[in-house]
Parts: sequence; structure tokens; C-alpha cells
Amino acid sequence: AQSVTQPDIHITVSEGASLELRCNYSYGATPYLFWYVQSPGQGLQLLLKYFSGDTLVQGIKGFEAEFKRSQSSFNLRKPSVHWSDAAEYFCAVGANDYKLSFGAGTTVTVRA
Amino acid sequence: EAQVTQNPRYLITVTGKKLTVTCSQNMNHEYMSWYRQDPGLGLRQIYYSMNVEVTDKGDVPEGYKVSRKEKRNFPLILESPSPNQTSLYFCASSLGRTTDTQYFGPGTRLTVL
Repeated sequence: AQSVTQPDIHITVSEGASLELRCNYSYGATPYLFWYVQSPGQGLQLLLKYFSGDTLVQGIKGFEAEFKRSQSSFNLRKPSVHWSDAAEYFCAVGANDYKLSFGAGTTVTVRA
Repeated sequence: EAQVTQNPRYLITVTGKKLTVTCSQNMNHEYMSWYRQDPGLGLRQIYYSMNVEVTDKGDVPEGYKVSRKEKRNFPLILESPSPNQTSLYFCASSLGRTTDTQYFGPGTRLTVL
């Protein structure tokens, strides 16, 4: 069965600074990887996904993520954060069995 | 507007009183799923459905039931709720493949006293 670890529970970053959120997965074959964002009081919205091809994936809102098979990682990055990026971010891994496993989430606080 | 709707959005109930949380999508999606979100645990999948009359257990199915009689609806049933089912519940839908984007509903906050 697949699983996901997000090592950072909470990250605080200054507006305009860069952001990197870590995600490590466990799965025997090539995984399907996703990053979702949850704004306060809202449902989840897909930022980006990877399942094959170029290991650097571009998403919405200026986010990107890089798949590194050797490190079993799929870290999310943004070069310059905006106050509206304050939210909870979830990494998820899927397999061919229609199940999707989410990490525990990383809460991002943006300070002025 | 393409969306996933859930009702009710908030519910406070007592132990043992049967309840149903409805989920409906208007995107003609084949795949639907229920998750619960708890602090420090992220989202955990309860049940999912690949199509009408086809459902399967996720990671935490105990205490829950589902049915998929119509493509657009996927209700979550708690026949005898207990306090440990107090949680935030999300319904999601997608076209059907694992690589497809899942669209989430706004959530239902359930409190079982």
C-alpha cells in the first residue's frame, strides 16, 4: 500500500520569500503524485500532479513540484509567496487501485 | 457551474442516532469518494465508488456505509454514530482514472455527542 509523509507540520514564511514544502512517498511502482491546497474553511483544490514524463511539473498559482525517484520525494516550491498562499497543503499518492493516500498536511503562514 | 455539493454543512447529533450526509456532483463523473479529515492525520479515505452499484472500502470504513444508486449521488450513512466519528467529511468526484483530478465538496463538519 502507498503512503505519504509530510515532515513539516507548520511553516512560516515572509511575503515575497520562497517556499518549499516537502513530501516523501512510499510505493513500489511509479506513483501518481498530487499536491492539493486547502484554504481556510474551503474544500481542497488541485495545484498540480505528476504521473509520467518531465519530472518538473508546473501547476496553478505559480507553484511547481519536482519528482525525484531516487529520493522518493515530490517537493512543492514557489519562488515568491503572496499573503493569499496562506493555507494547508496536502501531498497525495495514488496507485492503480483507485485509492488516494494523503499526507497529514503542512500549514503555511505568511507574515507581512 | 461544475460542482460537488454536500448537505448538511454542519451537523450536531447524539450517539446512536442514524444520519446521512448527501453528496451530489453535476459533472457526470464516474468516480466518487468520501474522506474524513482529522487534525494531524490529513485526509483518510472512507469509501469510494468507481461507478453505479460499484463501491469499495478505503482505509477507514468501519462504522460507515455508502450506496451508489445513481451516478450523481453518493450518500454517506452513519447507522450508529459514535463520538470518534466527530470529524470534517469531504466528498470528491473525478472522471475515473487515478490520474484524474478529484473535485472536492465544501465539507461537512459533524459533531457526535
